[in-house]
Amino acid sequence: DGGITQSPKYLFRKEGQNVTLSCEQNLNHDAMYWYRQDPGQGLRLIYYSQIVNDFQKGDIAEGYSVSREKKESFPLTVTSAQKNPTAFYLCASSDWDSLNSYEQYFGPGTRLTVT
Amino acid sequence: AQSVTQLGSHVSVSEGALVLLRCNYSSSVPPYLFWYVQYPNQGLQLLLKYTSAATLVKGINGFEAEFKKSETSFHLTKPSAHMSDAAEYFCAVSHDSWGKLQFGAGTQVVVTP
Repeated sequence: DGGITQSPKYLFRKEGQNVTLSCEQNLNHDAMYWYRQDPGQGLRLIYYSQIVNDFQKGDIAEGYSVSREKKESFPLTVTSAQKNPTAFYLCASSDWDSLNSYEQYFGPGTRLTVT
Repeated sequence: AQSVTQLGSHVSVSEGALVLLRCNYSSSVPPYLFWYVQYPNQGLQLLLKYTSAATLVKGINGFEAEFKKSETSFHLTKPSAHMSDAAEYFCAVSHDSWGKLQFGAGTQVVVTP
């Protein structure tokens, strides 16, 4: 089955530690996105990438970093510089060259708790 | 800049009653509009989308939405609520070539027996 996988489902870290969230897709999509979700705030875009080895900052990129070395993978690192890292993180992908270019497919999410 | 407003953070409906979730957008160019549903601790699932082909859009699970340009609205409806409709619903808008989505804050739907 094609889809997006995010691992792990739950992640716990101590304050001051960097942590990397995994996102893998086998949909052969060009574009990938990372969102942060907090209660009552909807989803906010952290980073996005339309092609391998290229990515752009979203609305709340401070304290985060990404890489796009492979088409199917778009890992997100939450650095110690992120002041409020505890949140639900969602990865998405879309095939922006097709007629459905604006439809994003979402992974199941990773809930990160930093104490 | 585009934005999305969802009126009502929480909506309670009785089983069998009409579900109406409101979404208004601001965009200087014709937008693409979406409704997504999210069940607890899960990702988002697309319910339906407007891409200018038709103003009345039918989606999955009996939901539909109507694009009204004059009102800049894209309200989501379902004639008869089921218990399984209890979830959070997000309206989103996009109009740029990057495919980025701007999400509303979400509406939590509770269905009572």
